[in-house]
Amino acid sequence: DTAVSQTPKYLVTQMGNDKSIKCEQNLGHDTMYWYKQDSKKFLKIMFSYNNKELIINETVPNRFSPKSPDKAHLNLHINSLELGDSAVYFCASSQTPGGIGNTIYFGEGSWLTVV
Amino acid sequence: GNSVTQMEGPVTLSEEAFLTINCTYTATGYPSLFWYVQYPGEGLQLLLKATKADDKGSNKGFEATYRKETTSFHLEKGSVQVSDSAVYFCALRAGGGNKLTFGTGTQLKVEL
Repeated sequence: DTAVSQTPKYLVTQMGNDKSIKCEQNLGHDTMYWYKQDSKKFLKIMFSYNNKELIINETVPNRFSPKSPDKAHLNLHINSLELGDSAVYFCASSQTPGGIGNTIYFGEGSWLTVV
Repeated sequence: GNSVTQMEGPVTLSEEAFLTINCTYTATGYPSLFWYVQYPGEGLQLLLKATKADDKGSNKGFEATYRKETTSFHLEKGSVQVSDSAVYFCALRAGGGNKLTFGTGTQLKVEL
């Protein structure tokens, strides 16, 4: 059983398109995240949701809109894709924040290429 | 703000060599510290963690000790294998927050 699963794993799309990446976790966690890994492998948080509420929103273009229908799902929708959006997007989850040492579990990543 | 500094890569070693990947951090309070590993074409996996000073995290022959006095969490392995070739990320989670701050990653290549 995959704990944090995201689809699609690979996505190639043209500039200007709108696309979504879906994420689901079966760990019973309350908190979910989206991280972006750029071409230099640098990882940075984009969003975090706790019980369907947005609690972290880093400086991300508003073309990126997360949606959490329930605490087990956090989808990422991207409008008007640009070349610079090409990256690997990682979904992750953890227990309710505040627990010392709570581990954040990552999905396998979604490789987005904008052409 | 919080930050993590890792040694630049790539690090190239022969099989059975000793590995050290340096990691130092800056954080408010008492962070939890983590090492994640990313094998080629795969996602991030937690390798080990430590939650308080002098704790030692260990897994798959890798170890790291939380050193508050030097604000470090260096990753070590006594004898690396080709299968250890991957990118290793040091990360911290400060206080009760729910955000991981990552280092830039260190690529390890192990050759026969």
